[in-house]
Amino acid sequence: DTGVSQDPRHKITKRGQNVTFRCDPISEHNRLYWYRQTLGQGPEFLTYFQNEAQLEKSRLLSDRFSAERPKGSFSTLEIQRTEQGDSAMYLCASSLAIQETQYFGPGTRLLVL
Amino acid sequence: QKEVEQNSGPLSVPEGAIASLNCTYSDRGSQSFFWYRQYSGKSPELIMFIYSNGDKEDGRFTAQLNKASQYVSLLIRDSQPSDSATYLCAVKADRGSTLGRLYFGRGTQLTVWP
Repeated sequence: DTGVSQDPRHKITKRGQNVTFRCDPISEHNRLYWYRQTLGQGPEFLTYFQNEAQLEKSRLLSDRFSAERPKGSFSTLEIQRTEQGDSAMYLCASSLAIQETQYFGPGTRLLVL
Repeated sequence: QKEVEQNSGPLSVPEGAIASLNCTYSDRGSQSFFWYRQYSGKSPELIMFIYSNGDKEDGRFTAQLNKASQYVSLLIRDSQPSDSATYLCAVKADRGSTLGRLYFGRGTQLTVWP
């Protein structure tokens, strides 16, 4: 069990560019979550998948954001036309459906210039 | 809007003391409660979860839940400098439901000084 992994760990981009992040959950975990955290705040929920189905999306997830989990394993989060307000830590977590506890990956820190 | 409130601190205690961290939540339907520790620049790390009213102990950590008062707390006994971190309280609305999101507080920054 290697834990949740995320790639890249850091991303610097210019405003208007598209970025994509990847998350690999703990093996056997069928639930995968994306959160965003800004400085001084707790993580804010973005979306979650059970297997390949996207079951819940936050209003924070504007139409510039899209997430996929095509085979029910890894997931990608894409942000199109990035804005400076998108600068944050993007966190991925996973859990088993029969358990409540969510385990977080190391996060991807995004800076939009 | 489901809200989770924590004192942002900072909370400062001497080594060996008991640190008490508090959290209140607005949704009476909340069923599952979690405490995460987050070191600066790192991701949240699960410390404990609690579902039932009362106390739950794990080593130096004790979580306390009072659903009537919509209050959950974390006690850290024999605090160590390595406990210095931000502690996040998280709440899940419906145990076992398909709604998976956690609602987090802003966190309480704890400093344990030698």
